[in-house]
Amino acid sequence: SQQGEEDPQALSIQEGENATMNCSYKTSINNLQWYRQNSGRGLVHLILIRSNEREKHSGRLRVTLDTSKKSSSLLITASRAADTASYFCATDNTGNQFYFGTGTSLTVIP
Amino acid sequence: SQTIHQWPATLVQPVGSPLSLECTVEGTSNPNLYWYRQAAGRGLQLLFYSVGIGQISSEVPQNLSASRPQDRQFILSSKKLLLSDSGFYLCAWTVGASNNSPLHFGNGTRLTVT
Repeated sequence: SQQGEEDPQALSIQEGENATMNCSYKTSINNLQWYRQNSGRGLVHLILIRSNEREKHSGRLRVTLDTSKKSSSLLITASRAADTASYFCATDNTGNQFYFGTGTSLTVIP
Repeated sequence: SQTIHQWPATLVQPVGSPLSLECTVEGTSNPNLYWYRQAAGRGLQLLFYSVGIGQISSEVPQNLSASRPQDRQFILSSKKLLLSDSGFYLCAWTVGASNNSPLHFGNGTRLTVT
């Protein structure tokens, strides 16, 4: 079953702007991960944040985690047309099971 | 380096026909293996996962089954396909016995049941 819900479902921005997408989940977690999916392809791992971490950076990506609210956000700064893709959060509850949200479809307009 | 192979890339099958999708991982030992299904425009649904040879956990009762005959081989099967089995099937692996290992996905199989 799906664990998380991403918000918004779709996002359209101009190149150079920042993109923020949110993820809410239901149960306690070991970690939360963000993935990217280009149309018709497999998912690519972007960043993992552990349950005892509050913020993590990787290049133009910034992820926050609020376990009290069971939510996370992914910020992509200075977006590029190549960032156009769907973005998913996934929660790891037990180390063996990964549950995905419904995804945010991001369109970056050149 | 580790790689994951999934085939075929696309498949069109009639209702009632059998299915076999194969996934193999190279460059790692004792991986955890996963099958996900993605309906059009939707999120990923975990179907099966395996932490070792012959060990299969099913998430959703359905028309599908999985097997792991070898350490790095994961097979998704059906005896008789239904229209509702159409979708994008993704195989993935993680490092076994690790609580903070990301999933690595194959390129997927797009299955259309007609």
